[in-house]
Amino acid sequence: EVQLVESGGGLVQPGGSLRLSCAGSGFTFSSYWMTWVRQAPGKGLEWVANIKQDGSEKYYVDSVRGRFTISRDNAKNSLYLQMNSLRAEDTAVYYCARRWDAMDVWGQGTTVTVSS
Amino acid sequence: QSALTQPPSASGSPGQSVTISCTGTSSDVGGYNYVSWYQQYPGKAPRVMIYEVSKRPSGVPDRFSGSKSGNTASLTVSGLQAEDEADYFCSSYAGSNKFVFGTGTKVTVL
Repeated sequence: EVQLVESGGGLVQPGGSLRLSCAGSGFTFSSYWMTWVRQAPGKGLEWVANIKQDGSEKYYVDSVRGRFTISRDNAKNSLYLQMNSLRAEDTAVYYCARRWDAMDVWGQGTTVTVSS
Repeated sequence: QSALTQPPSASGSPGQSVTISCTGTSSDVGGYNYVSWYQQYPGKAPRVMIYEVSKRPSGVPDRFSGSKSGNTASLTVSGLQAEDEADYFCSSYAGSNKFVFGTGTKVTVL
């Protein structure tokens, strides 16, 4: 079964850091662009970042550039999102997804809450 | 990067058709054929229903169709069924390796 499973969410204070992980299975992870998308409570979807198959290209939404870092380890079939200098407005469910042009596989999401 | 504009809600009776619009600019929707549509049930992850404006992934009913004219893309659900009641989001490539989602539309089956 093709599957993505996120982990690493939690409650963090403003200014803190968190690292999200996304484990892929059932497909050749190294063959696909991967994407992070977030959804604030009661709000719409927001593209956060994506990364090329070999990690050589990475792109970010303006609001997280310089604070978040996307990375991957193809040997471990894993995608990561290192989030630093977190703000209240980063509070959201974070999803990882396969591809960028048609996000055809999604994880179940992991919740990040930034609050004091 | 401004969100694409969708109507907050749309509705129809079972068997009817409903069309959701997604309005952007020439820098996103109008400039590229990378428009996708996602269905999302409350508390669940999104599911891709349409990609590259009008292509349907395997497993998606042919009741779902997509199109684009100028800076506006549209998703049409024909033969509405109870299970189509959900939130729908469009997305588009916005150039310079950026991507943008729509504001979302809640579809209600009356």
